[in-house]
Amino acid sequence: GAGVSQSPSNKVTEKGKDVELRCDPISGHTALYWYRQSLGQGLEFLIYFQGNSAPDKSGLPSDRFSAERTGGSVSTLTIQRTQQEDSAVYLCASNYQLGPPFFGPGTRLTVL
Amino acid sequence: AQTVTQSQPEMSVQEAETVTLSCTYDTSENNYYLFWYKQPPSRQMILVIRQEAYKQQNATENRFSVNFQKAAKSFSLKISDSQLGDTAMYFCAFLNVNKLVFGAGTILRVKS
Repeated sequence: GAGVSQSPSNKVTEKGKDVELRCDPISGHTALYWYRQSLGQGLEFLIYFQGNSAPDKSGLPSDRFSAERTGGSVSTLTIQRTQQEDSAVYLCASNYQLGPPFFGPGTRLTVL
Repeated sequence: AQTVTQSQPEMSVQEAETVTLSCTYDTSENNYYLFWYKQPPSRQMILVIRQEAYKQQNATENRFSVNFQKAAKSFSLKISDSQLGDTAMYFCAFLNVNKLVFGAGTILRVKS
């Protein structure tokens, strides 16, 4: 596709379970960003990838959160032992060099 | 560290009127880019307009224009002839190498 895609669009899980969120950036985009957005709030930075490396992972809230990127393309954000406070929309964006970042539609995570 | 400040949490405007959203930023960098994004209730982040810091001319996209004051580190968005479809949350963003930083957002409501 031409845009950034994310899957699933919605995820409901039980407290304590692990979840994986996927982001497919625009082809050729070397940079990839993950953000978290609580209802009606701003964007909380989680992690930034340049190629397969993560030079900035300072926003990951705890060691339950991890992310990887393979082949300079797809990225997966994994949340282990989910908690209710992890409920939010998780947004992914990608760009090339200093071009404008484009966002995916997000994954809404609900932890019961 | 770069910071982006949007001092107006909420604003309202009558349909067909003009409204200006404020944004200031702090950086010691000289080469960077600035963006305004729109996020309607559908939650998709949409790029509205971008400005390269090395360009003195203010960017314009149809009804949207910016007032970029580099020395003052100010980057306001003007929406002319406001339409009901402009109702959304608007985010100001700063981009340079390795950093994509967002303001807290301004909720804009266009009233008929």
